[in-house]
Amino acid sequence: DADVTQTPRNRITKTGKRIMLECSQTKGHDRMYWYRQDPGLGLRLIYYSFDVKDINKGEISDGYSVSRQAQAKFSLSLESAIPNQTALYFCATRQGGYNEQFFGPGTRLTVL
Amino acid sequence: GENVEQHPSTLSVQEGDSAVIKCTYSDSASNYFPWYKQELGKRPQLIIDIRSNVGEKKDQRIAVTLNKTAKHFSLHITETQPEDSAVYFCAASNSGYSTLTFGKGTMLLVSP
Repeated sequence: DADVTQTPRNRITKTGKRIMLECSQTKGHDRMYWYRQDPGLGLRLIYYSFDVKDINKGEISDGYSVSRQAQAKFSLSLESAIPNQTALYFCATRQGGYNEQFFGPGTRLTVL
Repeated sequence: GENVEQHPSTLSVQEGDSAVIKCTYSDSASNYFPWYKQELGKRPQLIIDIRSNVGEKKDQRIAVTLNKTAKHFSLHITETQPEDSAVYFCAASNSGYSTLTFGKGTMLLVSP
């Protein structure tokens, strides 16, 4: 079945380290999103992309960067991780013209 | 930008009771309102949505109502079952559904 996948699923890193979270999809969707989930804060949008040449900041982009390597791949980078970036990160995809966003399984990131 | 408030943050009901979760939004231009369900350790999944040209939508035991004048919308679950236990997120979107702004979530616990 077509799906959205994320790697790694869990990651523990130290303050100051650079880390990359990867998202791949076989749904053929053109739009991809990165969200962060914290307890009691819901899902907050970090970055989104409508195609390979389009990157847009979301609500909480500071401290993050993204790369859309191909229509099917969208990576999130933390250049210098800090403890308050400890969270559950979700990638999502959507096909333009349709409403539903489909989420990946999430990456649990811990910054010590 | 859009702001979505969601209440209550936690809701406990007995199996068979009804549950209601309410959301308000700030941007009168918002015209698409989905609800996502996230089971423990799982990814969020769309369960129902409504567009601004419709006042109510129903799908078996779940229904969503929208009051555009008051800028609020609600999720109604009837005859609750233990498998309805999850975190529920409301969201709002405009601009051709390009991005979603989520509420902070409601943890619903259905006791047998």
